[in-house]
Amino acid sequence: NAGVTQTPKFRILKIGQSMTLQCAQDMNHNYMYWYRQDPGMGLKLIYYSVGAGITDKGEVPNGYNVSRSTTEDFPLRLELAAPSQTSVYFCASSQDRGVTEAFFGQGTRLTVV
Amino acid sequence: GENVEQHPSTLSVQEGDSAVIKCTYSDSASNYFPWYKQELGKRPQLIIDIRSNVGEKKDQRIAVTLNKTAKHFSLHITETQPEDSAVYFCAASRNNFNKFYFGSGTKLNVKP
Repeated sequence: NAGVTQTPKFRILKIGQSMTLQCAQDMNHNYMYWYRQDPGMGLKLIYYSVGAGITDKGEVPNGYNVSRSTTEDFPLRLELAAPSQTSVYFCASSQDRGVTEAFFGQGTRLTVV
Repeated sequence: GENVEQHPSTLSVQEGDSAVIKCTYSDSASNYFPWYKQELGKRPQLIIDIRSNVGEKKDQRIAVTLNKTAKHFSLHITETQPEDSAVYFCAASRNNFNKFYFGSGTKLNVKP
């Protein structure tokens, strides 16, 4: 099993550009999450999903959008990138409602210049 | 929502010493408390977790304690080794809830 796979690993964007961070899991988990990790800080929840077709905002959703058309995939869309979105982004999945282990992808390091 | 605070932000110990990291949470309904280890440039990985019906859990050199009344939980690492050097995150969550709330992390440095 690959677990949680994120692409790309690194990306540099110019201000105002858009991009999609891809996330896929092969563990048949219903729950998926997007976090951002700023230097020296903890993980902040951007969006989460409890199943295909269902998404909801987390703590810091502004500037992002998500979709969940399948159980496996949970892409994160950045529209009109801003320097404040420079961060490391982690996708995660869990089998049950926040009370079982969350499995993380390897992260995407995004720089907006 | 839940607020998880973690201390200290950095911790430096000598190899073989013990390390303790503490977290507090605000939501008395939280009942699941995982700890994640993140090595430099890598993904966070679960090292131990505890549920609210248990006061302590051990796994070899690591242990977690939970005080529900005071709403705090701690990670204890004994006989530290250089490979324990990493950032450690605590988190809290609860049943019928879909989010993990993470602490701000503790950078542990184990000096040989």
